[in-house]
Amino acid sequence: RKEVEQDPGPFNVPEGATVAFNCTYSNSASQSFFWYRQDCRKEPKLLMSVYSSGNEDGRFTAQLNKASQYVSLLIRDSQPSDSATYLCAVNREYSSASKIIFGSGTRLSIRP
Amino acid sequence: GAGVSQSPRYKVTKRGQDVTLRCDPISSHATLYWYQQALGQGPEFLTYFNYEAQPDKSGLPSDRFSAERPEGSISTLTIQRTEQRDSAMYRCASSRGLAGDETQYFGPGTRLLVL
Repeated sequence: RKEVEQDPGPFNVPEGATVAFNCTYSNSASQSFFWYRQDCRKEPKLLMSVYSSGNEDGRFTAQLNKASQYVSLLIRDSQPSDSATYLCAVNREYSSASKIIFGSGTRLSIRP
Repeated sequence: GAGVSQSPRYKVTKRGQDVTLRCDPISSHATLYWYQQALGQGPEFLTYFNYEAQPDKSGLPSDRFSAERPEGSISTLTIQRTEQRDSAMYRCASSRGLAGDETQYFGPGTRLLVL
């Protein structure tokens, strides 16, 4: 089993829809969680960090469920510009840098 | 610099040759990561540096792979006796501090093709 797992998709949804992805992780010692966005042939860029209390940034909401070991990303009122691959990343440490594990990514396509 | 840079952007080599990839992180960023990314997959961790120290190189696929960051800034990733399975995008990322909860800034990557 991979340490960080994501549904690869693709998710193909109409503009304006709400879409949610989950990312599960196997190491209960994991402390820091992130969602990155990667456009085709580009480098990953941070979308948001995931705090224990959840995090919201405009149309994007990230939540963490440590008991069930998953992080989620919710996109409301999705736009064609949201089409990308969304990568979940997990870091075992909080106070120090360490090995960061990425999931394989979830592909999202928003049709106008 | 303004962002993370990597060179070369593309490298084609013949099986058995050695290659060295370079990463120039954002100035003063303490932590530097190397990843290998296959098409349609997420970045796979190779190794990371805190300044010049290399606390974890558990992701390096074999002893043909090595990385250095001798002065705590620029880093190189060397692959000796390349094999076709080494063909991939190699990405470097840096983060400002030593905390594990900080943003990673990725470079554009080096696409390596081993013939």
